Amino acid sequence: QSVLTQPPSASGTPGQRVTISCSGSSSNIGSIYVYWYQQLPGAAPKLLIYRSNQRPSGVPDRISGSKSGTSASLAISGLRSEDEADYYCVAWDDRLSGWVFGGGTKLTVL
Amino acid sequence: QVQLQESGPGLVKPSQTLSLTCTVSGGSISSGSYYWNWIRQPAGKGLEWIGRIYTSGSTNYNPSLKSRVTILLDTSKNQFSLKLSSVTAADTAAYYCAREYEPQNYFDLWGQGPLVTVST
Repeated sequence: QSVLTQPPSASGTPGQRVTISCSGSSSNIGSIYVYWYQQLPGAAPKLLIYRSNQRPSGVPDRISGSKSGTSASLAISGLRSEDEADYYCVAWDDRLSGWVFGGGTKLTVL
Repeated sequence: QVQLQESGPGLVKPSQTLSLTCTVSGGSISSGSYYWNWIRQPAGKGLEWIGRIYTSGSTNYNPSLKSRVTILLDTSKNQFSLKLSSVTAADTAAYYCAREYEPQNYFDLWGQGPLVTVST
């Protein structure tokens, strides 16, 4: 049971916009930033979004993040086949004094 | 270019101690503002944070693993290490070392994440 809650799966067709949600509590998402990582099969995770809505260099602007209260979302527009991967939300938890992960969302491009 | 590389046994017997080392190449482990983390992932499952150590030597551990985990920094070898004691089959996972960039607090560098199996 993960501290942060994500839907196990999401899907969309090429060109569509999909969103992945991440629900937490006042000790994590509600009090601090959310981070999003993409993990392709057999690879280490890659940073997509930091501090809830900031993109590192190299991440296209069709990928965006947002946060409201104790929930956060990752949005991917103009869906492409190469977006098919697992996506994880992460936040620092003040009560646990550690990083907590969502269970991951498997995105399928139909 | 800084890189991380995990090393250690791929097979550990139940009740024994899992030991992994992460070697930092292309840069000094003690320069800059970084936390050095261990994260694991059972096959087909999600990521679990194990713990981290700062360049000062201070540590944070996952409360669910804290009684069994030790993370150490060896600046002379440019390495940091993980020891997980009293392992069971539930500890079988890919183990990643990862660098956390302190000002922005994101994991910007990862190792390859070798699989460690706990079995007789």
